[in-house]
Amino acid sequence: GAGVSQSPSNKVTEKGKDVELRCDPISGHTALYWYRQSLGQGLEFLIYFQGNSAPDKSGLPSDRFSAERTGGSVSTLTIQRTQQEDSAVYLCASSLGFISTTQYFGPGTRLTVL
Amino acid sequence: AQKITQTQPGMFVQEKEAVTLDCTYDTSDPSYGLFWYKQPSSGEMIFLIYQGSYDQQNATEGRYSLNFQKARKSANLVISASQLGDSAMYFCAMRESTSYDKVIFGPGTSLSVIP
Repeated sequence: GAGVSQSPSNKVTEKGKDVELRCDPISGHTALYWYRQSLGQGLEFLIYFQGNSAPDKSGLPSDRFSAERTGGSVSTLTIQRTQQEDSAVYLCASSLGFISTTQYFGPGTRLTVL
Repeated sequence: AQKITQTQPGMFVQEKEAVTLDCTYDTSDPSYGLFWYKQPSSGEMIFLIYQGSYDQQNATEGRYSLNFQKARKSANLVISASQLGDSAMYFCAMRESTSYDKVIFGPGTSLSVIP
């Protein structure tokens, strides 16, 4: 049984470029979450999807951040005009549903903005 | 205000000893869930244990148990018989029923198990 997968595992980009991070949740999991973890910090909630819809986008740090999910499965997190403060590990998690107790995390994408 | 507080940034424990990692939380929601996650140096977040606010018994999962004191709003994680592989960051987290989409994480505690 495959777990949550994320790609790329590492991304180095130049300031001002756009990046796309991908998350493939566990099959059958309807809920999907994105978090950001800066070096030595806890997890910062970014956005949550139930199916294809995101009822709360207030966790996104700025309007340079956007996320979508199509077909109730794969999700992409896009960061436009990257800044050095965007450097972090971006973690994706999925769970069975809206009130499921357990989130299963992917390995994360380490983003470095030069 | 901090929703989740973990006051121990770093902890050391001797192998085979038990250790308690502290977590206090702040909520006015009568229905909530509390989680503990482990994050080894590899970076992946691993779910350890869950406690619901209405659960009568303290949660246990193998060597992990959750010391849930509702009135004090604390949910400490107890690891018995520590192993070298337990060395990792440990995060306490909470989900309130009024916002099921958000799981709020504490700042974490770094645990080092000494042989």
